[in-house]
Amino acid sequence: AQSVTQLGSHVSVSEGALVLLRCNYSSSVPPYLFWYVQYPNQGLQLLLKYTTGATLVKGINGFEAEFKKSETSFHLTKPSAHMSDAAEYFCAVSKPFNNDMRFGAGTRLTVKP
Amino acid sequence: KAGVTQTPRYLIKTRGQQVTLSCSPISGHRSVSWYQQTPGQGLQFLFEYFSETQRNKGNFPGRFSGRQFSNSRSEMNVSTLELGDSALYLCASSLEGGKQPQHFGDGTRLSIL
Repeated sequence: AQSVTQLGSHVSVSEGALVLLRCNYSSSVPPYLFWYVQYPNQGLQLLLKYTTGATLVKGINGFEAEFKKSETSFHLTKPSAHMSDAAEYFCAVSKPFNNDMRFGAGTRLTVKP
Repeated sequence: KAGVTQTPRYLIKTRGQQVTLSCSPISGHRSVSWYQQTPGQGLQFLFEYFSETQRNKGNFPGRFSGRQFSNSRSEMNVSTLELGDSALYLCASSLEGGKQPQHFGDGTRLSIL
């Protein structure tokens, strides 16, 4: 069975500071991993995904994540936070070739001026 | 290219009624998945349809059902509504299962009185 744990339901950073959102997964097979962002009253927007290949994945809006099998982690980072990054972020896992995604509980990112 | 379209955006029903939600996927996408999002349970997978057939199913009671039409549009039906069914229902589409990411609509917010 697949599952995801996001460490920290709320993260607050100053504008220009490093953003680090933590995600650990559990999977019985090599996983597909995703990060999505959700703004108020909107659906989820894909930031980046890992399926196979390079373990450092670059996404939109300057975000990137690194798949670390030994640590079962897929943490999301951005070198410099922007006010527009304030949103809720979800990590998700699925089996290969399977659209049944299991989401973490989400991390609400606040960016202080 | 138009995104995933969900209608209606907002819906108010009373206990015991039934409701049908609609989802039009991105043109060319054949897989449609449905998710329920609540503050308490987070994002939970309901089911996935591919080529008019249910391919995956989450852990929801039989009151929740869906179907997909030949043009890939999908509907989700909830019968005998309960207060706990109040949620944001999200639809996601993809070309097929697997590496292609799922693209989400903005959801239908269902409120049960």
